[in-house]
Amino acid sequence: GQNIDQPTEMTATEGAIVQINCTYQTSGFNGLFWYQQHAGEAPTFLSYNVLDGLEEKGRFSSFLSRSKGYSYLLLKELQMKDSASYLCAVSGGYQKVTFGTGTKLQVIP
Amino acid sequence: AAGVIQSPRHLIKEKRETATLKCYPIPRHDTVYWYQQGPGQDPQFLISFYEKMQSDKGSIPDRFSAQQFSDYHSELNMSSLELGDSALYFCASSWLGTGELFFGEGSRLTVL
Repeated sequence: GQNIDQPTEMTATEGAIVQINCTYQTSGFNGLFWYQQHAGEAPTFLSYNVLDGLEEKGRFSSFLSRSKGYSYLLLKELQMKDSASYLCAVSGGYQKVTFGTGTKLQVIP
Repeated sequence: AAGVIQSPRHLIKEKRETATLKCYPIPRHDTVYWYQQGPGQDPQFLISFYEKMQSDKGSIPDRFSAQQFSDYHSELNMSSLELGDSALYFCASSWLGTGELFFGEGSRLTVL
């Protein structure tokens, strides 16, 4: 089975750094995605980690440790528009991507 | 660039009626996924197709069925609709080689 855990909600200040954690236990593992989703909109792709380590892409970075079943998404220089849900998703086999519960991030002035 | 196209964008049905949602994946993508997302919830995987064959099944009710056609578009058929079926239904497509899912804008189903 698939079990993916994230904090439900987080609040951070504009201009600050925030780290959103994701732990997973899956029967198979091909890679881990992070998606951003604004309310009522489709999820949009942020990152995809296959190997251990840190992937940096502008203000967003994603880290993966396969041995620990752990990933985090790091958002720097937070902006108000970063207020959204952040979804961790695991590709655990052929043609099956399972999403976590999502973390609702609120950025405050 | 072409994206995933879903239709209709909004649909209102009554209980016990039937609804059909359509999805047109990005050209040359070989995999289609269907997700259901209730208010304030994460997307729940329903079903996926690889090269027109069903490849995996999630929490899809028996009242729902789906298929992928020769032109790679997919349809999700929902019968005996219940109030709890009201949700956003997302279709996503990917190419097996890259893994990244590209989502359509979703079809919002309201069951009255």
